[in-house]
Parts: sequence; structure tokens; C-alpha cells
Amino acid sequence: TQLLEQSPQFLSIQEGENLTVYCNSSSVFSSLQWYRQEPGEGPVLLVTVVTGGEVKKLKRLTFQFGDARKDSSLHITAAQTGDTGLYLCAETLDNYGQNFVFGPGTRLSVLP
Amino acid sequence: DAGVTQSPTHLIKTRGQQVTLRCSPKSGHDTVSWYQQALGQGPQFIFQYYEEEERQRGNFPDRFSGHQFPNYSSELNVNALLLGDSALYLCASSLGTRGSSGYTFGSGTRLTVV
Repeated sequence: TQLLEQSPQFLSIQEGENLTVYCNSSSVFSSLQWYRQEPGEGPVLLVTVVTGGEVKKLKRLTFQFGDARKDSSLHITAAQTGDTGLYLCAETLDNYGQNFVFGPGTRLSVLP
Repeated sequence: DAGVTQSPTHLIKTRGQQVTLRCSPKSGHDTVSWYQQALGQGPQFIFQYYEEEERQRGNFPDRFSGHQFPNYSSELNVNALLLGDSALYLCASSLGTRGSSGYTFGSGTRLTVV
């Protein structure tokens, strides 16, 4: 069974600081997605990465997929209070894209 | 364009009872997946429905069952509720089972079993 690990589990920072959260797997990802979940809401898709070494930017968020496709990182520049939430990575369990497996998430708190 | 709609938003049930949760997928989506999210954890995959059939199933007992209707909406049924079934139940829709374009999640149903 492929397991996803995310670190850190919790992160509390001041507004304006930079941060990086990580997602790691024991096996090679077929594809990886990052989601953000706010309290009382469902996860919202941020990005999908497929190719090893791929880097995608979404405003202040930078997503990187490891060359070996076993790890990924999310970097936030100049964090804002609106970035607060649970950041989840998810990957397909098999090559047919079925059965997404989620990591446990990183809970980020950005303080004013 | 409506997203994924789940009902009810909150529910309180007693141990041993049965519950039915409902989900309407995003317009244009034909696949519905259900997840259980315990407090402080990531979502756990329950099962996926496509063309009115269960296509994939996670590690959940037979007490968890589902259905998909011709209009692609779906129900999740849980029988003989246990205290440990208390969680946020999320419905996610996608176009096709691969979900390669990502899943669209509803806001979930918060189930509390007392």
C-alpha cells in the first residue's frame, strides 16, 4: 500500500513570512494533486503535477514535483491570513487514475 | 454553474441507527467518489461510482454502501452506526473515473454519532 507523508503536521507563522510544506511517498507517483481545505469546507484543487521535475506557479504559490516523482513541495511566498487552512496532497493509487489517496495534511495558520 | 451539493450539512444519529447522505455532482461530471474525513486527518476513500456501479472501494466495511442514479447523483448509506463513524463525509465529482483533471468536492456532511 502506497502511503503519503506530509510535513510538517502543523505550521504557525506570521503574515509576510515564507514557508514550504512537503509531501513524500514510498513509491513513485503517477500524478500528484495539491488541495487546500478551509474549516467546514471540502478540499479545493490547487494544482496537478505529472512530470518529474515539474514546477508550477499559482500567484504566490510554487509547486515542485521531484525528479524521481516520489516527493513534492509547496512553497508560499509572503503568506497572508487567507492562506490559513489544511494543505493536502493526493495521488492516484494506480495508473488508471482511480482511487485517490490523500496525505494527512499540513495545517497552516498565518497570524496577522 | 453549480458545484457539488451535499445534504444534509449536519446530522446527529444514535448508535445502531442507519443514515443516508446525498450528493449532486458538478454539472458535466459523471463520477462520484465518497470520502470520510475524521477530525485532524486527511480524507479516506470509501468508494467511487460511475455508470451507476461501484467501481472502486476503499478499506471500509459492508455497512457502508452506496448508489448512483441515472442523473449521476449519489447516496451513501451507513448501517448500524458506530461512534467511530462520526466524521465529515465528503462527496467529490469528476469527469470519468481517472480524475486526472482533479476532483470537485462538496462542503461535506458532518455526521455525529452519539
